[in-house]
Amino acid sequence: EPEVTQTPSHQVTQMGQEVILRCVPISNHLYFYWYRQILGQKVEFLVSFYNNEISEKSEIFDDQFSVERPDGSNFTLKIRSTKLEDSAMYFCASTEGWGGNIQYFGAGTRLSVL
Amino acid sequence: SQQGEEDPQALSIQEGENATMNCSYKTSINNLQWYRQNSGRGLVHLILIRSNEREKHSGRLRVTLDTSKKSSSLLITASRAADTASYFCATVYSGAGSYQLTFGKGTKLSVIP
Repeated sequence: EPEVTQTPSHQVTQMGQEVILRCVPISNHLYFYWYRQILGQKVEFLVSFYNNEISEKSEIFDDQFSVERPDGSNFTLKIRSTKLEDSAMYFCASTEGWGGNIQYFGAGTRLSVL
Repeated sequence: SQQGEEDPQALSIQEGENATMNCSYKTSINNLQWYRQNSGRGLVHLILIRSNEREKHSGRLRVTLDTSKKSSSLLITASRAADTASYFCATVYSGAGSYQLTFGKGTKLSVIP
């Protein structure tokens, strides 16, 4: 069964460093999303991406964050200068067809900022 | 906030019993989805119910939706130890072009063998 793949599974970085989290959505999906979950808290929406541009973003998704679909398969989330409070689990998701359909999630990348 | 609360926050039952989790939300929705998360793992989609549906079944899962009360419930029948996980409801707002999922805080279910 097709699945959303995220790499790496765990990323450790120093405060102030740039990180890139990678995702390979399901191949025929059109909408892509990033969410994050701080330990013990609820899952929060960051950004959605459709037709090679951001379609929605939350207050969390400030200038430190960016997304890109550099080729036909990868979807990346970049954090330019990480802060301690960026430590969280980051989930990528994708949707077939209309954006309101089922969102399929990857296993997540645990980001630890030291 | 678009999302309300799920209750209970934690639920512990014996294997074979039924588990019921509730979810409330605040805005009009297009659909509501339930997800499961094993500890430290990703989110697995369980079931989607649209705003014009009142009940939906999938295997041992039964979901109800009451849009007048802005609430939903997830029933897991004949629970198994493997059902131990956190369960989240998430809503898709009915506004045009808005597809983000807004999650509740979840119910942590423990099924004791």
